[in-house]
Amino acid sequence: GESVGLHLPTLSVQEGDNSIINCAYSNSASDYFIWYKQESGKGPQFIIDIRSNMDKRQGQRVTVLLNKTVKHLSLQIAATQPGDSAVYFCAENEATAGNQFYFGTGTSLTVIP
Amino acid sequence: GAGVSQSPSNKVTEKGKDVELRCDPISGHTALYWYRQSLGQGLEFLIYFQGNSAPDKSGLPSDRFSAERTGGSVSTLTIQRTQQEDSAVYLCASSSLPGSGELFFGEGSRLTVL
Repeated sequence: GESVGLHLPTLSVQEGDNSIINCAYSNSASDYFIWYKQESGKGPQFIIDIRSNMDKRQGQRVTVLLNKTVKHLSLQIAATQPGDSAVYFCAENEATAGNQFYFGTGTSLTVIP
Repeated sequence: GAGVSQSPSNKVTEKGKDVELRCDPISGHTALYWYRQSLGQGLEFLIYFQGNSAPDKSGLPSDRFSAERTGGSVSTLTIQRTQQEDSAVYLCASSSLPGSGELFFGEGSRLTVL
């Protein structure tokens, strides 16, 4: 099976600071990566994705960085807000192996007002 | 509806009973996924449907688990002879494009096996 994991299970940041959530993956053939946010009692919500032909992609207040050399990706959240408190998952896919997306364990982000 | 709908939202059953969990995907979405999320854990892939193609069942943990998708829309996940380790939240997601990572998840069905 695939191994997608996170460096830290919990992260606390002050409101207004930037947050960085990390994710390691083991399958060097993975070529598509996605970040999801899951609030308590809800299903995961898509945040941003990146394909392996890119090393950086920006969205609204979020940036995903991909380092294929060390099989690592990160999600940066600028000016973190209380509404950003949630569990964040990275997911990966190897296109030639099918359309399964394998999720990591998740990092719980708490924003301190 | 506007989003993915799952029912029941909560199900408590006794060990050995069969359960059925239902998923109504977003209208027009051809891809449908089932995942399982145990307490404090990530999402475990179970099964994937795409249009009329044969489903990818590679994630089903045992032959007690099965799923079908009728008419390319509604899906039912069936767990036979439930065990305590089946207790989890079962999440359904749909997507409009094959291979797209933008999955739209329902709120899940929480299964508790006593």
